[in-house]
Amino acid sequence: ETGVTQTPRHLVMGMTNKKSLKCEQHLGHNAMYWYKQSAKKPLELMFVYNFKEQTENNSVPSRFSPECPNSSHLFLHLHTLQPEDSALYLCASSQAGGIPETQYFGPGTRLLVL
Amino acid sequence: KQEVTQIPAALSVPEGENLVLNCSFTDSAIYNLQWFRQDPGKGLTSLLLIQSSQREQTSGRLNASLDKSSGRSTLYIAASQPGDSATYLCAVDNQAGTALIFGKGTTLSVSS
Repeated sequence: ETGVTQTPRHLVMGMTNKKSLKCEQHLGHNAMYWYKQSAKKPLELMFVYNFKEQTENNSVPSRFSPECPNSSHLFLHLHTLQPEDSALYLCASSQAGGIPETQYFGPGTRLLVL
Repeated sequence: KQEVTQIPAALSVPEGENLVLNCSFTDSAIYNLQWFRQDPGKGLTSLLLIQSSQREQTSGRLNASLDKSSGRSTLYIAASQPGDSATYLCAVDNQAGTALIFGKGTTLSVSS
């Protein structure tokens, strides 16, 4: 595997389900990000992790819970979601402090909440 | 609060045309500006990154310029091809290691 991978690619869940999204980066980076892309809205940041520590939480509801066990893996745990949470969830990684600091994105997980 | 605007929202051109996509941002204190490409249902591919000290970057048929003082960037695509059809996103960050702030994108359609 190369670059940034995300699983699953598609997910359908009910509002009472619990599921997790997984992201893995194979680039040796030290920063990872979760973004949300809803229809007709700009991509928006959810969480940032630098060296496994959460450095940004963009006022995300607690029904989204991130986990970063090491610098290569990032999870997004989902529980009691709402239909408006249906979106494309994108993971990215970068080398914090790198020059230039380009973010590399995974293919995303398309989530549908029924 | 930084806001990024992209104009136009959609653009259709015949193959072979040169075209310009526009991006503007409200806070000129940016660290980097990036242009990305997104194909339908897919992730983002970085096309060009311009550091705040730079004025432009070129890659193949793509040229991106940056005017920090006026809060503007343009992406120039020369001799467009059907394979260029995609959504083009502009994004800025205000500090190293922080999140990118995106525009809504310009959806380009190049017809053969």
